Amino acid sequence: AQTVTQSQPEMSVQEAETVTLSCTYDTSESDYYLFWYKQPPSRQMILVIRQEAYKQQNATENRFSVNFQKAAKSFSLKISDSQLGDAAMYFCAYRSAQAAGMRFGAGTRLTVKP
Amino acid sequence: DTGVSQDPRHKITKRGQNVTFRCDPISEHNRLYWYRQTLGQGPEFLTYFQNEAQLEKSRLLSDRFSAERPKGSFSTLEIQRTEQGDSAMYLCASLGDLRSSYNEQFFGPGTRLTVL
Repeated sequence: AQTVTQSQPEMSVQEAETVTLSCTYDTSESDYYLFWYKQPPSRQMILVIRQEAYKQQNATENRFSVNFQKAAKSFSLKISDSQLGDAAMYFCAYRSAQAAGMRFGAGTRLTVKP
Repeated sequence: DTGVSQDPRHKITKRGQNVTFRCDPISEHNRLYWYRQTLGQGPEFLTYFQNEAQLEKSRLLSDRFSAERPKGSFSTLEIQRTEQGDSAMYLCASLGDLRSSYNEQFFGPGTRLTVL
């Protein structure tokens, strides 16, 4: 079974600085998708960034980028120029190309200090 | 607003009672998912519908849980004989095209269940 591990329960960053959230996963499959979701307090989850496993190029969305290391099964999220609105729980998620449901990590709570 | 909606947002019930939650996906999305999220954890997949067909069920979905999507639009999740361990946030998500370049599941706000 696929598992997703986020080893940092909490992270803190100064406003305007850069922070990296870690995620590793375990799978025997070669075709899959990886996601980072953001869950602000008492608000619904929204997608931050996605990566297809077959793509070698790391995904980038404005201030958010990933470092996808397929061989190491690592998928970290880098947030540049952190803003107060980035404060939230961040979940790393995996979805097999053959299955429907996503597997989520336990999350990392990001605090942004002014 | 054309996002995913869930009703009710909060439900408090006594142990042993039955509860039913509703999810309305984004209108053009034919795929619908249910997840459960307990405090301090990431969501756990429960079940998946493509149109009205329930195609995948997690082993987390015990016999007390049943989900339906009778007309391929809204879905209901029923929990019978609730237990205190059922207390959680129940999330619904929808997706249009599994192989699209977006591949994004859009989440609703969730139904928070508290079993006393």
